Amino acid sequence: GAVVSQHPSWVICKSGTSVKIECRSLDFQATTMFWYRQFPKQSLMLMATSNEGSKATYEQGVEKDKFLINHASLTLSTLTVTSAHPEDSSFYICSARSAGGGIAGSTGELFFGEGSRLTVL
Amino acid sequence: AQSVTQPDIHITVSEGASLELRCNYSYGATPYLFWYVQSPGQGLQLLLKYFSGDTLVQGIKGFEAEFKRSQSSFNLRKPSVHWSDAAEYFCAVGDGNRDDKIIFGKGTRLHILP
Repeated sequence: GAVVSQHPSWVICKSGTSVKIECRSLDFQATTMFWYRQFPKQSLMLMATSNEGSKATYEQGVEKDKFLINHASLTLSTLTVTSAHPEDSSFYICSARSAGGGIAGSTGELFFGEGSRLTVL
Repeated sequence: AQSVTQPDIHITVSEGASLELRCNYSYGATPYLFWYVQSPGQGLQLLLKYFSGDTLVQGIKGFEAEFKRSQSSFNLRKPSVHWSDAAEYFCAVGDGNRDDKIIFGKGTRLHILP
């Protein structure tokens, strides 16, 4: 089946530094990728929709200057947490949908990465 | 806007017992519905999905779910749970556009008693 890989799977950084998380679709091309954030024992909250070759669409309340998203190719999207602070510590998960899309005009299956756990000291 | 409600935060069942996890959705048109499972510290795995057609959907690992439009529900069931089924289960809804978003419920944590 389709595979989405995230890297790194966990990262610890100092407050004030920036951290980049990569999301790769390994065996399909993804025109759209989604970034989610999950707090402990909470659900996944959609942060932004990343479209290849265009600017990401951010959900209300998500700071686009804080969470920089780049979708430079059909197989890679990156999330950069800039000037990270302890409150940014969380589990970040990406998902990707193939360019083929599944059922035409409808929601294709999303494939999720295994997540990246960020801890900011 | 679409939304998903999972009324039960925790569910505990004995190994071998049957299971039903509840999910209610709010959406004006025909919803696209999903159930995902997440093991601790892991990403999400799709159990099953409903787009159209037969309202009883079979998934992986012996799970099934039934779409009931009249009740706006998409409950997940399994006739006999195994200890390995202990995990967090998320119901989700999408609105069918190619650039749509999938909205997740808050999740139900399943505990299995030996």
